[in-house]
Parts: sequence; C-alpha cells; structure tokens
Amino acid sequence: DQQVKQNSPSLSVQEGRISILNCDYTNSMFDYFLWYKKYPAEGPTFLISISSIKDKNEDGRFTVFLNKSAKHLSLHIVPSQPGDSAVYFCAASGHNDMRFGAGTRLTVKP
Amino acid sequence: DAGVIQSPRHEVTEMGQEVTLRCKPISGHDYLFWYRQTMMRGLELLIYFNNNVPIDDSGMPEDRFSAKMPNASFSTLKIQPSEPRDSAVYFCASSARTVTGELFFGEGSRLTVL
Repeated sequence: DQQVKQNSPSLSVQEGRISILNCDYTNSMFDYFLWYKKYPAEGPTFLISISSIKDKNEDGRFTVFLNKSAKHLSLHIVPSQPGDSAVYFCAASGHNDMRFGAGTRLTVKP
Repeated sequence: DAGVIQSPRHEVTEMGQEVTLRCKPISGHDYLFWYRQTMMRGLELLIYFNNNVPIDDSGMPEDRFSAKMPNASFSTLKIQPSEPRDSAVYFCASSARTVTGELFFGEGSRLTVL
C-alpha cells in the first residue's frame, strides 16, 4: 500500500535549467511534508519541508509547492547544478506516521 | 557532534545465517527508526522506538526480523535466519522530538545475502 508515490524514477535536466520533482499522497491525514536528498553510499539528508497550512516554502534554490486538494507536492530546483544530482525522497507525515516515496533519481548534466 | 552511526557498512552472508545490524543514535534524540531501502519500494519503515520502547513494529516483514533498544544509545536489528530477499540497504535514523519531523539518518548498512 503505497501512500506516497513518486511516479518518475528518474529525471535528467541540463545545468542551469529548472528541475521539477513530483510526489502524490493518498492519506488526507498527512499534514507535514518533507524532501530528503540522498547521495550514493550516504544516508538521506533533510532538504526542505512544508506544513499543510502553507502552499509554498522557499529556501534558496529550492521551493516546495503543496496542493492539498490534489494531494500533490512538488520540489523545484532552480537553477539546477551538477551537485544536485542525487536521489530525492518525498515524505509525508501526520498522526505519528511518516511514509516515504520510492525516490526520484535526478541527474543534472553540465 | 557525531551523527547517527551504523555498523557494519557492508555485510555479505550466506542464506540461513544470522545478521545483526547496529545503530547509535544522536545523543539526546528520543526517537529511533529502522528503515529498509529497496529499488521497488524505496524507504520502508520497519520499526520505531520512543525512549527505548518499541512503538510501531508493523513494518517488520516477518518473525525472522527483530529489533531491540536496550538503552538510549544503542539499537540492533537482527535477521535470523537471513534469506536472499533480505538483501537491501538498512538505515537507522533518529529524531529529537517527534515521529513526524526531520529525521537524521545514518550512512546505512548494505546487506547481501547469498
């Protein structure tokens, strides 16, 4: 039962362009959403989050958008840099539960 | 400040053998989580502890899996007997105050069962 889905297993973009990673969830009880970034041979690290009372949160080149009615969130990276190449996990949490998506592998080409 | 420390980083074993993975959470963190990462399912929560007490083990796949947290600075995940389908990367994570906020992950233990 995948409550959090990242339907694109991979994404490739050119350096300097925008990267958009998408995430869908099914459980309306989730009220806090996070993105984690994972490099090879390392553990995931927290990147950015958003509460359900907001529809946008920005931190430098990273912006997360939340559409509660559609149960959809997205992570925008602009401009994309080669160092952003990693696997990105979406997570949704609420009521003592946190679920992760399967991840999207982002490749930023120089 | 040391992060979450896991050992071993890599483990190769034969089917039927016992495997023990270890984790030291960040000092002062009340929550400890064990996750398994696979290509098909991404990051799956296996079990989590609050103040050393197991709270939710519904993600533990079978009775072959067990986890303990004898004190605030140490936890183990044991698989006995191991099977090839258990091959995955196992992550330990800790959190300061809540299940639902930011988690701090270790570097993972890559398990290969032949």
